[in-house]
Amino acid sequence: KAGVTQTPRYLIKTRGQQVTLSCSPISGHRSVSWYQQTPGQGLQFLFEYFSETQRNKGNFPGRFSGRQFSNSRSEMNVSTLELGDSALYLCASSWVGGRSTDTQYFGPGTRLTVL
Amino acid sequence: GDSVTQMEGPVTLSEEAFLTINCTYTATGYPSLFWYVQYPGEGLQLLLKATKADDKGSNKGFEATYRKETTSFHLEKGSVQVSDSAVYFCALDNYGQNFVFGPGTRLSVLP
Repeated sequence: KAGVTQTPRYLIKTRGQQVTLSCSPISGHRSVSWYQQTPGQGLQFLFEYFSETQRNKGNFPGRFSGRQFSNSRSEMNVSTLELGDSALYLCASSWVGGRSTDTQYFGPGTRLTVL
Repeated sequence: GDSVTQMEGPVTLSEEAFLTINCTYTATGYPSLFWYVQYPGEGLQLLLKATKADDKGSNKGFEATYRKETTSFHLEKGSVQVSDSAVYFCALDNYGQNFVFGPGTRLSVLP
C-alpha cells in the first residue's frame, strides 16, 4: 500500500509570495492533518481535515489555510510568506481521526525556504 | 492543555549500550501514547504505540510501557545500533483533539 505522499519535496519562495503544498493520504484514510516543524518550535499542529471539513485548528495566523477534496487529498496554502515560515511541513493521514486509538502516518514533508 | 515532556538530549551512546529516553505527559482522560522516529531528511515514522494503561508497545527491539500512575511512557532498547541514530518524538492523542508532540530527543550512536 502506498504511503502518504507530499509534493513538492522542496520549495524556495521569497517574502510576500504565496505557496500551495499538496498531500495525498494513504488510500482509504479520510483524516488529514498538517504540522509545521522548525528547530525552535518543534512540531506544531496546523489543522486537521475530515470529509472536506476542517475539524481541528492549531494556533496559527489566518495566512495559513487548507482544504480537502472529495478524494481526501489535501492542500495547504500560506499567503504573504514571512521568513519565519521557513520550515518542514508534514502531512499525516489516518482512517478517521477523532479517536484515541487511531494512528497517524506521516509523509516525508515539504521543505519550504523563504528568502 | 495537554502536553508532553521528554529529555531533549542530545543523547550519545556507544553501540550495544542500553537506551532510555524519558517521556512524561499531562492530559485529561486516557490518551493514546506514541513514539515516532525521524531519520535525517525524512518524515516521522511510527515506532510503537500503546492505547491503555499497562499496555506495552514494542517494535524493532524498542519497548515502552504506558504507566498511568506516573503518567510516563519511557522508551527503552537493550542494545542500540548505529542505525538507530535519529530523533525520537513522544506524542499523545487525546481522543482526536489533536496530536501533541514532545520536543524530540536526538540520539547519536557511535560505533
